Amino acid sequence: AQSVTQLGSHVSVSEGALVLLRCNYSSSVPPYLFWYVQYPNQGLQLLLKYTSAATLVKGINGFEAEFKKSETSFHLTKPSAHMSDAAEYFCAVRDSSASKIIFGSGTRLSIRP
Amino acid sequence: DAMVIQNPRYQVTQFGKPVTLSCSQTLNHNVMYWYQQKSSQAPKLLFHYYDKDFNNEADTPDNFQSRRPNTSFCFLDIRSPGLGDAAMYLCATSSRDSTSTDTQYFGPGTRLTVL
Repeated sequence: AQSVTQLGSHVSVSEGALVLLRCNYSSSVPPYLFWYVQYPNQGLQLLLKYTSAATLVKGINGFEAEFKKSETSFHLTKPSAHMSDAAEYFCAVRDSSASKIIFGSGTRLSIRP
Repeated sequence: DAMVIQNPRYQVTQFGKPVTLSCSQTLNHNVMYWYQQKSSQAPKLLFHYYDKDFNNEADTPDNFQSRRPNTSFCFLDIRSPGLGDAAMYLCATSSRDSTSTDTQYFGPGTRLTVL
């Protein structure tokens, strides 16, 4: 069965600094991987997805993620943090056998002025 | 814009009083999901409909039911809400076929308060 692990339940960076949110996956088949963002009292918004095409995936709001099979990782990055990036971020993997997605536990991103 | 709509955004009910949450979509997706999300936790899948086929998660309490009268609408019924059912309820949709990634798109959620 597939799973994802998000390292760090809370990450704090200064405005303008690099954002790095870590996600490692476990999958016996080529995975479909997703990053979602959730702002307070909102639903989840798809940031980007990996579907076995290009290993570097660009998403919305300046975020991107790189699929690294050798490291079983799919870390999310943004070169320069903005105050509006403060939110909860979820990494997820598609469980193809059960036709559903499995979420990581989430990482709360805070931005310091 | 195609979207997933949830009504109401905030719902208050009394302990034990049945409540229904609504979800509609204009994406024409064949799968609709209901999730429960408690504070500082990941969403927890309750069940989903693949077309008219209902798929319940093994650990979803019997207190939670769902209906999908047509492609566009799906309802979550909580028969006797308890204090522990206070949460954000998220609806999501996806298009599932042999070539799709089954990417899920979420609505804004309904925050349920149980008094």
